[in-house]
Amino acid sequence: GENVEQHPSTLSVQEGDSAVIKCTYSDSASNYFPWYKQELGKGPQLIIDIRSNVGEKKDQRIAVTLNKTAKHFSLHITETQPEDSAVYFCAASRGTGRRALTFGSGTRLQVQP
Amino acid sequence: GAVVSQHPSRVICKSGTSVKIECRSLDFQATTMFWYRQFPKQSLMLMATSNEGSKATYEQGVEKDKFLINHASLTLSTLTVTSAHPEDSSFYICSARAGQGNYEQYFGPGTRLTVT
Repeated sequence: GENVEQHPSTLSVQEGDSAVIKCTYSDSASNYFPWYKQELGKGPQLIIDIRSNVGEKKDQRIAVTLNKTAKHFSLHITETQPEDSAVYFCAASRGTGRRALTFGSGTRLQVQP
Repeated sequence: GAVVSQHPSRVICKSGTSVKIECRSLDFQATTMFWYRQFPKQSLMLMATSNEGSKATYEQGVEKDKFLINHASLTLSTLTVTSAHPEDSSFYICSARAGQGNYEQYFGPGTRLTVT
């Protein structure tokens, strides 16, 4: 089965700095890579995703890059704000229908004001 | 759009009793729903996958007779924890995918179960 590793487990940055979270996956057939933000006591919120036919995707301050050859993908947050503080999870799956997501272990991001 | 709700948000029950958690897709039809469990400071672990009108598929190590899943309609799935014990205390989260051809999964707000 799929195995997703995520680093770092904790990340502390100053407000306005950039934050980068990295994930690697094992299943070369995986083709969908979402990122979720989870605040304390809440469910995960989809913030950005990328499919394997694309190398990079950007949405305002958030971007995701994918390297299929190396089987890794990264989340980039620029101009971080205190409200970006949360736990971020990467995930991977083979696609649609009944195929479930395999999650990374999570990164606790703390943005210091 | 793509809103998933869960009820209740919190529940406390006594050991040996059963608890039902509902998961609803509010603005789309969910052909597939997933149930996850999350322990404090840990990642989400998939428990089971359910498709409307068919039996759920459980992950290895998840007791299907203890965690009963019913996906009765395209907008509702339920998880019943039977004969709950303190070790079943956890954060249970459902997610839903709209249609066979869609990739995105949208998560509910979660249900905090405490078994005393």
